[in-house]
Amino acid sequence: KAGVTQTPRYLIKTRGQQVTLSCSPISGHRSVSWYQQTPGQGLQFLFEYFSETQRNKGNFPGRFSGRQFSNSRSEMNVSTLELGDSALYLCASSQQGISTDTQYFGPGTRLTVL
Amino acid sequence: DQQVKQNSPSLSVQEGRISILNCDYTNSMFDYFLWYKKYPAEGPTFLISISSIKDKNEDGRFTVFLNKSAKHLSLHIVPSQPGDSAVYFCAARGNSGGSNYKLTFGKGTLLTVNP
Repeated sequence: KAGVTQTPRYLIKTRGQQVTLSCSPISGHRSVSWYQQTPGQGLQFLFEYFSETQRNKGNFPGRFSGRQFSNSRSEMNVSTLELGDSALYLCASSQQGISTDTQYFGPGTRLTVL
Repeated sequence: DQQVKQNSPSLSVQEGRISILNCDYTNSMFDYFLWYKKYPAEGPTFLISISSIKDKNEDGRFTVFLNKSAKHLSLHIVPSQPGDSAVYFCAARGNSGGSNYKLTFGKGTLLTVNP
């Protein structure tokens, strides 16, 4: 099976802009989770989508949002970008969700905000 | 408040020796623990896990030990190989309910295995 794919792999934006990141899960996986990785905070959970519904959410401001499509692909959107949003954004998929299954990660999208 | 702590940012060992990576947690609701390995420019890869009903789980060269009373777990790699050089993340998950079921990660330990 193909692994989790994320596009784009690298992005450079300026403060105030918005950005959309995409994630395609492993075939058959219905759960997609998003994480932010920064040197200071490590890996932090953003949210989980399952069957097109947001099922769980981490402690991030409303500027961070997401959605999931009927084919389980997911997008994450960050509006009004801030310098502190520079990070590696990781997507992970699993069959039934974060509370029961092992998650499989994609390679990440490296976002740089200037 | 950091609920999962990896107090050693880095560890260096010789090839063939044992690598021991440590992790402490504070949330008593955590009942499932995982280790992930991450190479540069790649996403984390699942390595091994352990449920709180066990105190040891082994998979080839990798063994995870869980001490629930101390809220401590460790990953042993024997023998260590240069290809094991990566960042290792400890993660914990609680039972359903509240926010405990999401994975909470430590900040990682960079393991370097020297030939």
